[in-house]
Amino acid sequence: SQQGEEDPQALSIQEGENATMNCSYKTSINNLQWYRQNSGRGLVHLILIRSNEREKHSGRLRVTLDTSKKSSSLLITASRAADTASYFCATAGTYKYIFGTGTRLKVLA
Amino acid sequence: DGGITQSPKYLFRKEGQNVTLSCEQNLNHDAMYWYRQDPGQGLRLIYYSQIVNDFQKGDIAEGYSVSREKKESFPLTVTSAQKNPTAFYLCASSRLADTRTDTQYFGPGTRLTVL
Repeated sequence: SQQGEEDPQALSIQEGENATMNCSYKTSINNLQWYRQNSGRGLVHLILIRSNEREKHSGRLRVTLDTSKKSSSLLITASRAADTASYFCATAGTYKYIFGTGTRLKVLA
Repeated sequence: DGGITQSPKYLFRKEGQNVTLSCEQNLNHDAMYWYRQDPGQGLRLIYYSQIVNDFQKGDIAEGYSVSREKKESFPLTVTSAQKNPTAFYLCASSRLADTRTDTQYFGPGTRLTVL
């Protein structure tokens, strides 16, 4: 079953704008991770945030985690055309990860 | 895509045939995973292996089989019992089987089409 659900399903923005996508999950987690997938390719790990962390940064990426609301958000600042991809959140269960359905981001040049 | 290779990139299968997808990693990772991805969907776990000679069913194991005879290899066989095998298959590995701290590294995927 899919634990993480991303919102929105699709997002289209202009280059230079910020992109925000959200992930909701249902059960307790150890950590939450975000991945990027370019069309027809494998997933690339972006960032991991632990359950006792509230915010984490990596370059133009900012991830927040609210365990009380069981939600996380990924912010990409100053987006570029190369950021066009699908973004997935994944929650860590026991010995396995559960992926959401993804947000398809399109950055228009 | 890190140190994980999958082959072939594209695979065509006739109905009733078994096919095997290859996954090899040179990262010295203990854990390996197989996922299935359908168009516009997320990933669903087929099988995972925490250590050599051991593997566990994931959420959609029916019609699939795996083996883990070597640490670096985790082949997936799609059998004729899998009724709708057309999909994109992704292999992944992680250093340990401890999902509390570990991240997954993915291969480039194999696109399987049933003719």
